[in-house]
Amino acid sequence: GENVEQHPSTLSVQEGDSAVIKCTYSDSASNYFPWYKQELGKRPQLIIDIRSNVGEKKDQRIAVTLNKTAKHFSLHITETQPEDSAVYFCALSLSGYSTLTFGKGTMLLVSP
Amino acid sequence: EADIYQTPRYLVIGTGKKITLECSQTMGHDKMYWYQQDPGMELHLIHYSYGVNSTEKGDLSSESTVSRIRTEHFPLTLESARPSHTSQYLCASSEDSWGEGYTFGSGTRLTVV
Repeated sequence: GENVEQHPSTLSVQEGDSAVIKCTYSDSASNYFPWYKQELGKRPQLIIDIRSNVGEKKDQRIAVTLNKTAKHFSLHITETQPEDSAVYFCALSLSGYSTLTFGKGTMLLVSP
Repeated sequence: EADIYQTPRYLVIGTGKKITLECSQTMGHDKMYWYQQDPGMELHLIHYSYGVNSTEKGDLSSESTVSRIRTEHFPLTLESARPSHTSQYLCASSEDSWGEGYTFGSGTRLTVV
């Protein structure tokens, strides 16, 4: 299956700072890019997603950007809060397929 | 409330035992998936189904098997559990061909001793 490289693996920020997590991929047939948040001991939950015909999508403090030419997409969290602390996963699927391939995850720690 | 349910949440069993992890969803989704989540957090697809009587193996080789006799039910079975099967198993479902609307269950944490 498609590989997804996710960086960084851990990220520590101060409350109020911005956080950026980046994922790269190789298959140009990838066309759906969701992001999931998994709090400790809980299930992964979809927080935002983007399709290949869109370059940027925003939902309050979170945004996702997609660069199809360079084959990378990023999650941006502004004005971070302690409750943003969690593991974040990027994922993607190929055109015509519903299975998602996940990145290895980024542990975000927001300190008060 | 429409959701996806996994039982049990925690399971400790001895080596060689046969076990079945249950997954049921009440959302009417056609597509269902099993992921294995290792201690390093990474999620690996082990099985998926596009509908009744449809099952496929995922990217990660697994000694488990699945069945899909009813739309809402997608159980995973280990015929002979081993310590290497110790992991968290997450079930998910979706209704869209692009994987939109992936909803995960709360997971089963399996320990084989």
